[in-house]
Amino acid sequence: QVQLVQSGAEVKKPGASVKVSCKASGYTFTGYFMHWVRQAPGQGLEWMGWINPNSGDTNYAQKFQGRVTMTRDTSINTAYMELSRLRSDDTAVYYCARDTSSSWSFAFWGQGTLVTVSS
Amino acid sequence: DIQMTQSPSSLSASVGDRVTITCRASQGNANYLAWYQQKPGKPPKLLIYSASTLQSGVPSRFSGSGSGTDFTLTISSLQPEDVATYYCQNYQSAPLTFGGGTKVEIK
Repeated sequence: QVQLVQSGAEVKKPGASVKVSCKASGYTFTGYFMHWVRQAPGQGLEWMGWINPNSGDTNYAQKFQGRVTMTRDTSINTAYMELSRLRSDDTAVYYCARDTSSSWSFAFWGQGTLVTVSS
Repeated sequence: DIQMTQSPSSLSASVGDRVTITCRASQGNANYLAWYQQKPGKPPKLLIYSASTLQSGVPSRFSGSGSGTDFTLTISSLQPEDVATYYCQNYQSAPLTFGGGTKVEIK
């Protein structure tokens, strides 16, 4: 069965960077785009971008351009999302989510990683 | 960017009631529309994609309709386990965008 397992919670200071991992299993990792979505406490869902694990191509939401980097390691079926120059309003749960073969809807999600930015 | 506006932002209904949530896109997006259910502390769960296609394993009391700019999620008979926040998502093209959410409670 498809599983996406994310790395654990992080506490960071403003200005630092965080790198969240998402290990995929149960399917061909290079066959589906991996997306990252975040959710601030008590708030809605915000799409950050996607990575094509096959080619390494990425597409980032304009809001995060210049601060986010999505990468992958196909040898261990893992996608990464690194966010730099963290601010307090980056405090959120970060999710990886896999799209389907025919759409960018998300049937599979990681469990989420809480990133807290605090001085 | 396509903006998604959901209404209402919250609602309270009785068990067995028919519940309707609407989502309006700022521009036409054909049927590239999904609905998710999210319970506290959990990731979202896909309910509906392509505006009206029920995801495998989702109870048939959930249904989706609409096209163009106006979409609807209907719960035909509200159950206690349906207490959650519901989100619509546009996935016609990047940037993918979500509605603001509708919190559903039991009266």
